[in-house]
Formats: sequence, C-alpha cells, structure tokens
Amino acid sequence: QKEVEQDPGPLSVPEGAIVSLNCTYSNSAFQYFMWYRQYSRKGPELLMYTYSSGNKEDGRFTAQVDKSSKYISLFIRDSQPSDSATYLCAMTSGGADGLTFGKGTHLIIQP
Amino acid sequence: DSGVTQTPKHLITATGQRVTLRCSPRSGDLSVYWYQQSLDQGLQFLIQYYNGEERAKGNILERFSAQQFPDLHSELNLSSLELGDSALYFCASSVVKSSGAEQFFGPGTRLTVL
Repeated sequence: QKEVEQDPGPLSVPEGAIVSLNCTYSNSAFQYFMWYRQYSRKGPELLMYTYSSGNKEDGRFTAQVDKSSKYISLFIRDSQPSDSATYLCAMTSGGADGLTFGKGTHLIIQP
Repeated sequence: DSGVTQTPKHLITATGQRVTLRCSPRSGDLSVYWYQQSLDQGLQFLIQYYNGEERAKGNILERFSAQQFPDLHSELNLSSLELGDSALYFCASSVVKSSGAEQFFGPGTRLTVL
C-alpha cells in the first residue's frame, strides 16, 4: 500500500461545476497537508496549506482534512477552464523528511 | 513565479555521463529540497539542505549527491547516468526549518539520458 493514494483521473467536468479532489493516506504521523497545482511541464504551485484537521478556505478553493479518516479533500467552486491542470496532494509529519506526494489527479474543465 | 530559479531548463546527455543541476532558493529561504518527478513514480523527495547542512535524505541513489553553498544556492550532481534517470528534477525552498511544510517549487530541469 502506498503512503498516499490519489485517483489519477482524468476528471472531466463542465465549466462552473464544483470539483472535488481527494487523497487518502496511511501514515498517522502526517500533520501538514498541502495541495499543489501543476500545469504541464511546469513546477508545482502551492495552492493550499493546512495544519492538522479542519477546513481552510481561500477564494474559490476549500481544503478539508479529516485525520481520523486519514482523508483530505480540495474543493474548487465555479470551476474555470484555466483550472485545468494536475492537482497533487502532499503531506509531511513536520520533521526534516520532505513532502510525500500523491500521484496527482488530472483535471479537465470543459468550456 | 515562485522566486525559486533552476538551471538549466533542459539537459540531454548520454548514459554514463555526469551532470550538475543548479538551484537558487527564494530570497530569505534557508532550506532547499530536491525532488525527482517521473511518470511511474510521481514526485519523490531526494534530499534536503538547511543553511549549508544536509538535513534529510529520501529516495536518493548513491550515484546522486548534493550540496548547498554559503550563498544558499544548491547543486544536485548526478553521475553514472542511466536511462531510468530521465525525469524532471525540481528544487523547492522554504523558510521554516522544522515543519518544512510550505515549500515553493522552481520550474524544474528536464533531464533526458540517451
């Protein structure tokens, strides 16, 4: 079992829809949870950063962490064609061990 | 633009050769991380440096090494290259030493080994 599981997609939705992206993980030591957006052949861009459980909202993006279920989500409201990209979840225990990434979900927003 | 710079953007070389990838962190960031991204493995953590000292190792091969210089730029050295080393190599930087959570990634170096 991989430490972080993420459905690779592709996930295709019409413009304006609410998008839900998810990751599950197995390591209970993970305390910090991130979502990155990566356009083709570009570097990952940090979208959301959450410590421990709870929700965090930033504009059209909402990140949720449920540590009891080892499950994290990213919601995108009013999705736009420019949101089409690969979304990577990442997490760390907070020690000097780098980030552990999911494989990424390829999202396509249809105009 | 994350503020992290990497050179070169592309590198094409032959098996058995040695290459050096360079990274400059964001202004003020003391930590530098190196990652490898391949289609089958995804993004994998290789190694971290903090203020010139090695802090953590991930899935880094013995043929690979890194260092961070006094001006905080970092170099990743890849030697005895194999076809399987072809990948995107990213550098990331962060301010915080211990949590290492908010990491900002550079544009990457695409390495092709022929």
